[in-house]
Amino acid sequence: EIVLTQSPGTLSLSPGERATLSCRASQTVSSSYLAWYQQRPGQAPRLLIYGASSRATGIPDRFSGSGSGTDFTLTIDRLEPEDFAVYYCQQYGSSPPTFGQGTKVEIK
Amino acid sequence: EVQLVQSGAEVKKPGESLKISCQGSGYSFTSYWIGWVRQMPGKGLEWMGIIYPGDSDTRYSPSFQGQVTISADKSISTAYLQWSSLKASDTAMYYCARQGCSGGNCYWYFDLWGRGTLVTVSS
Repeated sequence: EIVLTQSPGTLSLSPGERATLSCRASQTVSSSYLAWYQQRPGQAPRLLIYGASSRATGIPDRFSGSGSGTDFTLTIDRLEPEDFAVYYCQQYGSSPPTFGQGTKVEIK
Repeated sequence: EVQLVQSGAEVKKPGESLKISCQGSGYSFTSYWIGWVRQMPGKGLEWMGIIYPGDSDTRYSPSFQGQVTISADKSISTAYLQWSSLKASDTAMYYCARQGCSGGNCYWYFDLWGRGTLVTVSS
C-alpha cells in the first residue's frame, strides 16, 4: 500500500501568515488522486481539496492544493483563527486508500 | 439536508460484540459508496473499508480484513460496522463518510462525514 508522509509534524504560525504543508507518497499517486482534509478539535474531518488541486464546495480560496506524482502541497494563505487545526492528506488512486499521519497547524 | 447520522457512543467489555450504524439522508443512499474510518485516541485517520449499499459490494483495508464486518441495509439507508469480539485496542472514534463525486465521476475520497461514534472497550 502507498505510505503518505506529511511534514512538518507541527507548524507554528501567526494569524495572517501563510502555511505550507507537504505530503509525500512512497509511490506515484495515480492521476493525482489526492485529497486534503481539515480536522478541528472535537470535530469530524472536512474535505478541503480533491484531485490534488480542486477545492471542495464552500472551501475558501485561501486554501489551495498542488503537486503530482509523489509530492503534494497544501497552502493556506493568510491564516484565519479557524484554520488552526490538523490537516490530513489521503490518496485514493491505489487500493487500499491511505491517509497521512497529519500536520498540526498551531498558533505561534 | 444531506447528512450521515451515526449511532451513539458505546461502552463495552473485551470479548463483547458490537454493531454501530450510519444512516444517510437527503441523497440517494444506494448510489454512493460509504466508508468507515478509525481514529484512535490522539492519533490520525485510518481507512478501514467501504461498501456500496446498492449491491453490498464491500472492500476492506488489509489491516482490518477479518477484524470487522461492514454491511448495509438499503431499505433503511443505513450502513453498519460490527465486531464479533471487541478488544481494548478497538477503543477509538469511528467515522462513516460518503464518497465524493465530481463531473459525474466518483472516487474514494470523502465529501460528507458523520459526527463519529466513540467506542470504548474496557474491563
